[in-house]
Amino acid sequence: RKEVEQDPGPFNVPEGATVAFNCTYSNSASQSFFWYRQDCRKEPKLLMSVYSSGNEDGRFTAQLNRASQYISLLIRDSKLSDSATYLCVVNPSMGSSNTGKLIFGQGTTLQVKP
Amino acid sequence: NAGVTQTPKFRILKIGQSMTLQCTQDMNHNYMYWYRQDPGMGLKLIYYSVGAGITDKGEVPNGYNVSRSTTEDFPLRLELAAPSQTSVYFCASRTNDQPQHFGDGTRLSIL
Repeated sequence: RKEVEQDPGPFNVPEGATVAFNCTYSNSASQSFFWYRQDCRKEPKLLMSVYSSGNEDGRFTAQLNRASQYISLLIRDSKLSDSATYLCVVNPSMGSSNTGKLIFGQGTTLQVKP
Repeated sequence: NAGVTQTPKFRILKIGQSMTLQCTQDMNHNYMYWYRQDPGMGLKLIYYSVGAGITDKGEVPNGYNVSRSTTEDFPLRLELAAPSQTSVYFCASRTNDQPQHFGDGTRLSIL
């Protein structure tokens, strides 16, 4: 089983749609979680951190389910500019046991159509 | 606000040549990373460093070397360039429990 798994998609949705991505992780001790966005041939950019209580940033909502070991990203009212690859990132350790390595998922591709 | 700076942005090498990809960060981050990304694929970790003087192999270290003599700099060295090393290379840095910041990338072609 991969340490971090994402459905690669592509997800093809019309403008204005709501779309959700899930990401599962294998290490139950994982401490911090992030969603990144990557546009074609560009560097990944932080979209949002994922907090235990869930968090929202405008049209984007991130959730963490520790019991089932997955995180999710919900995008409401999709825009053409949301078309990108969304990367799930997991920090498997924290504090003195922090090995420094973050684990990246393969990414989920979203295409928003007019 | 320079963040993570990579140079060069583009480079074409001949097989067997060597080069160093430069990465520097001005955020006093202790962790630094080198990734490669092939077309249509995910990021693969080449090497990483948890602090000055300490480096560790990632999942695809063969053909590469790194050093971390200062907190700011983390150069990646290709000694004998091979066509399989054609890729986009990203450097990143972070501090404890925080997300990574990426550089713009270096697009490397080996012919």
